[in-house]
Amino acid sequence: RKEVEQDPGPFNVPEGATVAFNCTYSNSASQSFFWYRQDCRKEPKLLMSVYSSGNEDGRFTAQLNRASQYISLLIRDSKLSDSATYLCVVNTNAGNMLTFGGGTRLMVKP
Amino acid sequence: NAGVTQTPKFQVLKTGQSMTLQCAQDMNHNSMYWYRQDPGMGLRLIYYSASEGTTDKGEVPNGYNVSRLNKREFSLRLESAAPSQTSVYFCASSRLAGRTMYNEQFFGPGTRLTVL
Repeated sequence: RKEVEQDPGPFNVPEGATVAFNCTYSNSASQSFFWYRQDCRKEPKLLMSVYSSGNEDGRFTAQLNRASQYISLLIRDSKLSDSATYLCVVNTNAGNMLTFGGGTRLMVKP
Repeated sequence: NAGVTQTPKFQVLKTGQSMTLQCAQDMNHNSMYWYRQDPGMGLRLIYYSASEGTTDKGEVPNGYNVSRLNKREFSLRLESAAPSQTSVYFCASSRLAGRTMYNEQFFGPGTRLTVL
């Protein structure tokens, strides 16, 4: 079983739609959680950290459920520019080593 | 402020050849990392350097060596390239080492390596 699992997609949604991605992690000792965004043939970039209480940044909302060991990302009012691959990332140890999920591809259509 | 830079951007090698991938950061970060990204596999950590003068193995270190030349530079060497090492290689850095949560990693643009 992979340590961090994501549905690879693609999720094809129209502009303006709301879309949600989930990610599960296997190590209950995981300490910190992130969503990174990766555009085609580019490097990953931090989208947002995921805090225990949940957090929101504009159209993006991240939630953490430690009991069920999953993380979610909600995107409201999707834009064409949101088309990318979204990587779920978990920090399992104290040395800032990150474990990446395989990514979920989102395609927003006009 | 260039962030994290990597050279070369593209490389084609023949099986058995050697090469070094270069990485540099100008953000005064303590920690640096090398990942490889393969389709459907996500990014996997090859080696990392928590601070200048230290290096440690990650998830997939076999076939690679690293050198933390100074605080800015962290190189990855393939001594005898194999087709299984065809991949996209990303270097990353982060500000703080050790027991720090929510410590963002910044990535370089990647090196696309093909081994024939």
